Amino acid sequence: DIQMTQSPSSVSASVGDRVTITCRASQGISSYLAWYQQKPGKAPKLLIYAASSLQSGVPSRFSGSGSGTDFSLTISSLQPEDSASYYCQQGNSFPLTFGQGTRLEIK
Amino acid sequence: QVQLQESGPGLVKPSETLSLTCTVSGGSISSNYWSWIRQPPGKGLEWIGYIYYSGRTSYNPSLKSRVTISVDRSRNQLSLKLSSVTAADTAVYYCAKGPWNQGGWFDPWGQGSLVTVSS
Repeated sequence: DIQMTQSPSSVSASVGDRVTITCRASQGISSYLAWYQQKPGKAPKLLIYAASSLQSGVPSRFSGSGSGTDFSLTISSLQPEDSASYYCQQGNSFPLTFGQGTRLEIK
Repeated sequence: QVQLQESGPGLVKPSETLSLTCTVSGGSISSNYWSWIRQPPGKGLEWIGYIYYSGRTSYNPSLKSRVTISVDRSRNQLSLKLSSVTAADTAVYYCAKGPWNQGGWFDPWGQGSLVTVSS
């Protein structure tokens, strides 16, 4: 199985800050990487697919980059509604696997 | 737009079979892949398996011996059965469209159904 490791596990930042979350795959996955946002009691919501493509309706302050084994999700100017957990997921090979998640808190 | 809704018992006894249904509305179940994903309370996400509308399946090896996913095209539904459950199977179970051909992601997701395994 491909292991997905996110860092940090949790982060606290202020409104307007730039925040970056990283995701590392245990082996190369090309650009088969997605990012999800999950708020308490809700289903995950797709933010980024194919490593850097912004899902329709997602604010442009969210961006993704990377290929191979190293990826990142960046929020350019943090907003209060961005408080959530974020997960990466590889779509390169089965079984499909997720990172352990990053909890983002607004100071 | 496509919407998914999970339904089924919220409480299952140990050693019994967990059964859930996902109803797809706003679009056809045909020509797409559909998955089940679960999330134990306070923990991360685990892909359980997918079914193609034709009936072809793929399961996570960690659960393969206990999982069956099926599709009912006439009702636009997919179903999940997980046998011999234990407390470790307590989780919110999500159905989702995907993995998408172009890159393996899931979108959209259902709201989730909490299943507790307890006597």
